[in-house]
Amino acid sequence: QKEVEQNSGPLSVPEGAIASLNCTYSDRGSQSFFWYRQYSGKSPELIMSIYSNGDKEDGRFTAQLNKASQYVSLLIRDSQPSDSATYLCAVNNWAGGGNKLTFGTGTQLKVEL
Amino acid sequence: NAGVTQTPKFQVLKTGQSMTLQCAQDMNHNSMYWYRQDPGMGLRLIYYSASEGTTDKGEVPNGYNVSRLNKREFSLRLESAAPSQTSVYFCASTTDRGRAGELFFGEGSRLTVL
Repeated sequence: QKEVEQNSGPLSVPEGAIASLNCTYSDRGSQSFFWYRQYSGKSPELIMSIYSNGDKEDGRFTAQLNKASQYVSLLIRDSQPSDSATYLCAVNNWAGGGNKLTFGTGTQLKVEL
Repeated sequence: NAGVTQTPKFQVLKTGQSMTLQCAQDMNHNSMYWYRQDPGMGLRLIYYSASEGTTDKGEVPNGYNVSRLNKREFSLRLESAAPSQTSVYFCASTTDRGRAGELFFGEGSRLTVL
């Protein structure tokens, strides 16, 4: 079982709709959770971090965390064509010698006109 | 600010050749990382360094060595390149004060081993 799992997609949504991206993780000791966006041929960039159960909103993005279910999600409201990218879920664990961030394989999002 | 700078951006090697990927950050971060990214495999951690003078193995360390030269620089060396090491390599850094895991990535180094 992979430590961080995501549906690879592609997830296609029409412009203006809500895109919902999901992620599950296996290590109950995981402490912090992140969503990165990666455009084709570019490096990942952080868009959301969440550290406690519940929702965290930042503009059109909302991250949701449920530690009991070991589940993290990202909602993108009013999706735009510029949101078309691969979204990587990442989970952080303290490994004694330092923080180790484990990534899922990513979900490709396509926002269609 | 330059952020995280990686060199070279592209490299083609023959099997058995050696090379070093260089990474430098100007954000005064303590922790630095090397990841590789392959289609369908996501980002996999090769090595990381929590602070100057320390390095630790990640998920896929075989065939690689690293050096944390100083606080700014973290290099990745392939001693004898193999076709399985064809990949895109990303260096990243982060602070370890409360916001660890919020990584800043370099632009990537695209390596092909023939």
